[in-house]
Amino acid sequence: GAGVSQSPSNKVTEKGKDVELRCDPISGHTALYWYRQRLGQGLEFLIYFQGNSAPDKSGLPSDRFSAERTGESVSTLTIQRTQQEDSAVYLCASSFQGAVELFFGEGSRLTVL
Amino acid sequence: KQEVTQIPAALSVPEGENLVLNCSFTDSAIYNLQWFRQDPGKGLTSLLLIQSSQREQTSGRLNASLDKSSGRSTLYIAASQPGDSATYLCAVPTSGTYKYIFGTGTRLKVLA
Repeated sequence: GAGVSQSPSNKVTEKGKDVELRCDPISGHTALYWYRQRLGQGLEFLIYFQGNSAPDKSGLPSDRFSAERTGESVSTLTIQRTQQEDSAVYLCASSFQGAVELFFGEGSRLTVL
Repeated sequence: KQEVTQIPAALSVPEGENLVLNCSFTDSAIYNLQWFRQDPGKGLTSLLLIQSSQREQTSGRLNASLDKSSGRSTLYIAASQPGDSATYLCAVPTSGTYKYIFGTGTRLKVLA
């Protein structure tokens, strides 16, 4: 596609439910990143993929968070048993390879009631 | 551990002023440095990418410089316009890892 696409753009869920957030990177981009941005705060690194492997998942805040990627395509970030502190905008970015120009999607805004 | 700091946190200027935003990083072993802008409720838009071997990069009214040895980058915006109002963020991937570390941003408001 022309840019990084994320869905849903907005998600409201009840505490304890599972959610899936999807990221479709720019075609041909081998590297994919997930970040979290809480209201009024900076970007918090979650996980980085090179192809379908995740060499750095050090930012995942707990075992309720997981992510996978199919080949060099779509990635899904799953949050199980959501908590109110998970409310944030989840941003996905891709790049042609690691450590070159990053391109971001518009984000998925998650609200946990 | 790489830490990225941006000063000032917020800035309000009248239209037409030239201004400088600052970004500091603690580990100079970086591949590159990237500047972004973020509009409210939106994702990040890439503005400029400076490779570690470069000293500066220009795009239109924007000029970014990089001094690796001192751990600093500046983003210069010439003849500011109300449309430049946004949050500006810098990010660095530290050598040996592809994890981009972001500063907390400078929130810019340009008054008409």
